[in-house]
Amino acid sequence: TQLLEQSPQFLSIQEGENLTVYCNSSSVFSSLQWYRQEPGEGPVLLVTVVTGGEVKKLKRLTFQFGDARKDSSLHITAAQPGDTGLYLCAGDPLNYGQNFVFGPGTRLSVLP
Amino acid sequence: GAVVSQHPSRVICKSGTSVKIECRSLDFQATTMFWYRQFPKQSLMLMATSNEGSKATYEQGVEKDKFLINHASLTLSTLTVTSAHPEDSSFYICSARDRRNYGYTFGSGTRLTVV
Repeated sequence: TQLLEQSPQFLSIQEGENLTVYCNSSSVFSSLQWYRQEPGEGPVLLVTVVTGGEVKKLKRLTFQFGDARKDSSLHITAAQPGDTGLYLCAGDPLNYGQNFVFGPGTRLSVLP
Repeated sequence: GAVVSQHPSRVICKSGTSVKIECRSLDFQATTMFWYRQFPKQSLMLMATSNEGSKATYEQGVEKDKFLINHASLTLSTLTVTSAHPEDSSFYICSARDRRNYGYTFGSGTRLTVV
């Protein structure tokens, strides 16, 4: 069974601060996705990373896929209250028949 | 982009009744859809994988007779919670794979409250 770990599980910061969320596994994934979920809604896809070492930027969010495709990080610059939510990483196993694996999530709260 | 529509968004039902939740892929075909359950402040827990034209695959510990899944077409999967009890109250979310962007598109979720 492939497992994903996320850290920290909870994070409360002030508006304007920077933060990094980590997603780690001992397994290799063909791709990895990051989602953000707001209360009462379904997760929304932020980014998909496919190539080891890949870096993608989405405005103030920077996503990186580890060289070995086992881990990823999400860095938010100058966080805003609108960034508040549950951030989930999800890995697509190398084995096509295996299901998507979700991490436990990082619950971010950005205080004004 | 891919859109998955889930209905209803909220439902309150009495103990012992059944509730059906629909999940539709609006602009793409989904041979496989996934049903998740999410408890407050927790991550998504996969309940079952819905396969078009065949039986669903349930995760360990999920009662197939209680959570009936039907995937009759390439754009529609339904989850029926039968003989609902208060402990079935939860947030249920469906998703489908959009191969155009490698990712999964999620429905907006259904908040089920059993009283």
